[in-house]
Amino acid sequence: DAGVTQSPTHLIKTRGQQVTLRCSPISGHKSVSWYQQVLGQGPQFIFQYYEKEERGRGNFPDRFSARQFPNYSSELNVNALLLGDSALYLCASSLITRTLQNTGELFFGEGSRLTVL
Amino acid sequence: DAKTTQPPSMDCAEGRAANLPCNHSTISGNEYVYWYRQIHSQGPQYIIHGLKNNETNEMASLIITEDRKSSTLILPHATLRDTAVYYCIVRPPWGNKLVFGAGTILRVKS
Repeated sequence: DAGVTQSPTHLIKTRGQQVTLRCSPISGHKSVSWYQQVLGQGPQFIFQYYEKEERGRGNFPDRFSARQFPNYSSELNVNALLLGDSALYLCASSLITRTLQNTGELFFGEGSRLTVL
Repeated sequence: DAKTTQPPSMDCAEGRAANLPCNHSTISGNEYVYWYRQIHSQGPQYIIHGLKNNETNEMASLIITEDRKSSTLILPHATLRDTAVYYCIVRPPWGNKLVFGAGTILRVKS
């Protein structure tokens, strides 16, 4: 079975540009979350989506946005890129109930490494 | 968000047990203790989780103290492939917001 898949794996952008990162969850998983991992630090929570709705948001500016599609895949968009947005962006999927109760572990993809020059 | 405290780094000899401690003194009654690890440049990998009782799976054992204020992850026979950053996380039963700290860098040496 395929795990969480993310694309692209690596990309380089310049300051002020916009980027879209994509994620396909494990089959049957309806919840997708996004994390940012800056070099040398642990991952930081950005968003959680369930059934196409935002169900949680971390402390990130409005330049960060996301959406979830009917097939439960997701996109993370970052506008007006800053040098500090250079990071590994991780997508994770999980089984979850309608009341957002966890039923198991969070499965992470390998990430998209964004470099902003 | 309940916080965890872990030593920044540990060394372990190959073939020996690796015991990774974690303090989570502010954990709430319905929060779980999760352990993940991250091998260089890869996504975090789930290891094990528990609420009150000790847990064991094919990868590791998790020992949680009776007052639930600390726990220990045990890798029974560490190999070089176990070299990674290990994260101890307190997770509420709802939502997917995992609060990662700095973790423990485990170096397994031959």
